[in-house]
Amino acid sequence: GNSVTQMEGPVTLSEEAFLTINCTYTATGYPSLFWYVQYPGEGLQLLLKATKADDKGSNKGFEATYRKETTSFHLEKGSVQVSDSAVYFCALNYGGSQGNLIFGKGTKLSVKP
Amino acid sequence: GAVVSQHPSWVICKSGTSVKIECRSLDFQATTMFWYRQFPKQSLMLMATSNEGSKATYEQGVEKDKFLINHASLTLSTLTVTSAHPEDSSFYICSARKQLAEETQYFGPGTRLLVL
Repeated sequence: GNSVTQMEGPVTLSEEAFLTINCTYTATGYPSLFWYVQYPGEGLQLLLKATKADDKGSNKGFEATYRKETTSFHLEKGSVQVSDSAVYFCALNYGGSQGNLIFGKGTKLSVKP
Repeated sequence: GAVVSQHPSWVICKSGTSVKIECRSLDFQATTMFWYRQFPKQSLMLMATSNEGSKATYEQGVEKDKFLINHASLTLSTLTVTSAHPEDSSFYICSARKQLAEETQYFGPGTRLLVL
């Protein structure tokens, strides 16, 4: 079946450090891939997405590239800020507009000043 | 934009009472809305999917008589937790799709329910 695997957290970084959160997926066919961010006590916000192989999603300095050959969608940011502290969820949607999101377990990021 | 609101943001109730949570799409019409449940430090668990004007589709293991979902209009869905018990305490999050052809889900801010 379809699934998403994220690196275990928590991840603790110093401000301005480079961030990578690994995400791999298992799916038959070609799902769309998403990164959502959840700040403490809040719901999820769409961070970025990619709908086909080799697409790069980007937003607020974050990037992720849809890699079909490695079934991965790793999240990266060159220089994190304290305000980036949150839980990050990788997700896939299979079935287009009729499909459901399948989430990874989430990775908590803490950025220290 | 694609703003989804939820009300209330938090609620405390006594065991045995029913609680209604509203989910609204503020600046778009939502053909499909979803209800999730999130336990502390865990991922989101899909409870049900609802389309405007039709019955909700519940995920396996979710009691439809306990978690009543109504999607009466293209901008409003409600989740009613009937006869709530302490084990129903959780963070409930809704999401919505803008239109039939779009797959992106836009999430509400969540409702924290505490049943005493």
